Amino acid sequence: SQKIEQNSEALNIQEGKTATLTCNYTNYSPAYLQWYRQDPGRGPVFLLLIRENEKEKRKERLKVTFDTTLKQSLFHITASQPADSATYLCALEGGSQGNLIFGKGTKLSVKP
Amino acid sequence: EPEVTQTPSHQVTQMGQEVILRCVPISNHLYFYWYRQILGQKVEFLVSFYNNEISEKSEIFDDQFSVERPDGSNFTLKIRSTKLEDSAMYFCASSSQGGETQYFGPGTRLLVL
Repeated sequence: SQKIEQNSEALNIQEGKTATLTCNYTNYSPAYLQWYRQDPGRGPVFLLLIRENEKEKRKERLKVTFDTTLKQSLFHITASQPADSATYLCALEGGSQGNLIFGKGTKLSVKP
Repeated sequence: EPEVTQTPSHQVTQMGQEVILRCVPISNHLYFYWYRQILGQKVEFLVSFYNNEISEKSEIFDDQFSVERPDGSNFTLKIRSTKLEDSAMYFCASSSQGGETQYFGPGTRLLVL
C-alpha cells in the first residue's frame, strides 16, 4: 500500500527565509499530489494540486515540485511570515473516487 | 465563499452509545468524504460517497460505521456503538469531482468516555 513520509516533523525558520518541506512516497506514482495547511484544531485547507505530468506549480509565495522519478514533492514558501506557521500536509490519491492518503505533516514555525 | 459545515463542534459520549455526526457539504459538490484524525496522528480516510452510495471505504470503516445523505443537503456519519478508540476529530469533506480539490469542514471533536 502507498506510504507517505514527510521527512521533518518540525521545521523552524526565520521570517523572510524560504521554507522547504519534503514529501516522499514509496509505492505507485499517483496521478496527482496535493498540499494542505492545517492549523491546530481546524480542518485541512487546500493549497495546491500538482499532476504527474507537471513539474512545478506556483501560487503567490507557494511553489510545489513533483518528481515522479525520485517519488518526491517539494513544497516551498518564499518570504515566509509568522502567519505561515502551521502544519503542512502532503496528500496523494488513495483510490478512484479521490479519497486522499495523508502524510503526518510538517509543523512549520516562522520566527519574527 | 461556500464552505463545508459540521455539527456539533464537540461531542462527549459514553462508550457503547450511538453518535451521529452531521455535515453540510458545498451545495454543488457531488463527492463526499469522511476522515478522522486521532490526536497527534495523521488524517485518515474513512469513506467516500457518490451518487447516493458508498464508493470506497477503508479498513477503519467497519460495521459500526454507516453514512447517509438523508435529504440532499446533509451528509451524516453514524457510529453505532462507540469505543474509547473512536475518540478523534472527524472531518467531512466534499469535492466537485473525484480526484480534485477537497474542501474540509471544521471538524467534530468526539470524546468517548
